Amino acid sequence: GAGVSQSPSNKVTEKGKDVELRCDPISGHTALYWYRQSLGQGLEFLIYFQGNSAPDKSGLPSDRFSAERTGGSVSTLTIQRTQQEDSAVYLCASSPDTGYGYTFGSGTRLTVV
Amino acid sequence: SQQGEEDPQALSIQEGENATMNCSYKTSINNLQWYRQNSGRGLVHLILIRSNEREKHSGRLRVTLDTSKKSSSLLITASRAADTASYFCATGAGGTSYGKLTFGQGTILTVHP
Repeated sequence: GAGVSQSPSNKVTEKGKDVELRCDPISGHTALYWYRQSLGQGLEFLIYFQGNSAPDKSGLPSDRFSAERTGGSVSTLTIQRTQQEDSAVYLCASSPDTGYGYTFGSGTRLTVV
Repeated sequence: SQQGEEDPQALSIQEGENATMNCSYKTSINNLQWYRQNSGRGLVHLILIRSNEREKHSGRLRVTLDTSKKSSSLLITASRAADTASYFCATGAGGTSYGKLTFGQGTILTVHP
C-alpha cells in the first residue's frame, strides 16, 4: 500500500479484556516495528520483526503483550487482560530494511476504562 | 532508559527565525535520525545521518553530528507556522540492537505567525 495502515484508529476497552491491534506495513518493507507513546512522552520500543529472523521482543513490558507477523506482512499486537496503564497510542512503523528511516502509521489510541 | 535527550524541551519563535534543537546520547551509534510529529499521532521521518557523516542537508533542514561529543543538532531555517510540531531524535545502535531506534522525549516547537 501507499503507507502504513493501522486499525482500529481508536479503541476503548474495559479493564481485563483482550485487544488486538493491526498493522499493515508498506509492501516490500522487510522490517516492522511496534512502539507505544503515552501522553506527552517519547516513544517506547516494544518489538520488531526483520525478515525471517526471530523478533526482538526485548521491549514488551509484560507477558500480557505478544505480537506476530504473518507471511512477512501484516502484524498483530495482542494485549491480554488489559490494565489502565496500557492506555497509550500504539504506533507501528516499517522500513525497507534495518538501518533506514521508518514510515509510521497513524497509530491506534487505546483507552482502558 | 532513553538514549536520546533533546534540548530544549520547548522552543517558541517567530515565523522567519531559525530554530535549533539539540540531541545528546550515551552509547555508540550506527545512525541518528530526526522525526516530526503533529497532533500526537504518526511521526514523519525527516533526515538520517550515519555515524561516519558530520553534516547533512535536506531543504530547510540541516543536521550535524559530533560523535566525539555524542551530540547532534537539527537546524530549521526560515521557520514557518506549519513547522509547529514535536521533534524527536532517534538513535540506531549496532550489533544485536541494529535496526531498533531509541527515541528521546522530544522538543515542542511553536512557530508564531
